[in-house]
Amino acid sequence: EDKVVQSPLSLVVHEGDTVTLNCSYEVTNFRSLLWYKQEKKAPTFLFMLTSSGIEKKSGRLSSILDKKELFSILNITATQTGDSAIYLCAVSNAGGTSYGKLTFGQGTILTVHP
Amino acid sequence: DAGITQSPRHKVTETGTPVTLRCHQTENHRYMYWYRQDPGHGLRLIHYSYGVKDTDKGEVSDGYSVSRSKTEDFLLTLESATSSQTSVYFCAISESVITGSNIQYFGAGTRLSVL
Repeated sequence: EDKVVQSPLSLVVHEGDTVTLNCSYEVTNFRSLLWYKQEKKAPTFLFMLTSSGIEKKSGRLSSILDKKELFSILNITATQTGDSAIYLCAVSNAGGTSYGKLTFGQGTILTVHP
Repeated sequence: DAGITQSPRHKVTETGTPVTLRCHQTENHRYMYWYRQDPGHGLRLIHYSYGVKDTDKGEVSDGYSVSRSKTEDFLLTLESATSSQTSVYFCAISESVITGSNIQYFGAGTRLSVL
């Protein structure tokens, strides 16, 4: 059974701080790892990583994957109150009948205070 | 919300009653998914569809059934709602499961309370 574990489960910081969110996984036939941000409603897609060691960046957010050690990190620099959200990590199984199913971690609740 | 509409957005119902949630997409994507989200559990897959009339179970499918008679609509039915099915339900769609396109886009969710 595929498994995704995120840490920490919650994090409180002040504006301007840098945060690192962790995601470790076990999957029988790895295809990709995805990060989502969830504010009040639907999760919104941030990054998809498939190759080890290649950093994906979007503004103040960046993410990297280590396929050997089976983990990914999501970094947010110079945090803002608008970064407050639940951050979800998910892995996709490339197995024959998986049809792109995603297995999600529990999520990290990030709260950024002014 | 990537052309995904969930209805209703909120529903309160009583134990033992049937409930149907609807997911409608305008993206013509082949793959559709139903998840539930509960505190401490992240998102858990209930059922998914890989084409019209082609569906399969996810990890928490007990007590739920689905149907997909058209590409754009994916229905989730609770045959006899129980309090343990109180949750937020999300529909998601994906164009392809091939690497590079295996991104799921989510609807706004349906908050269901079973009393």
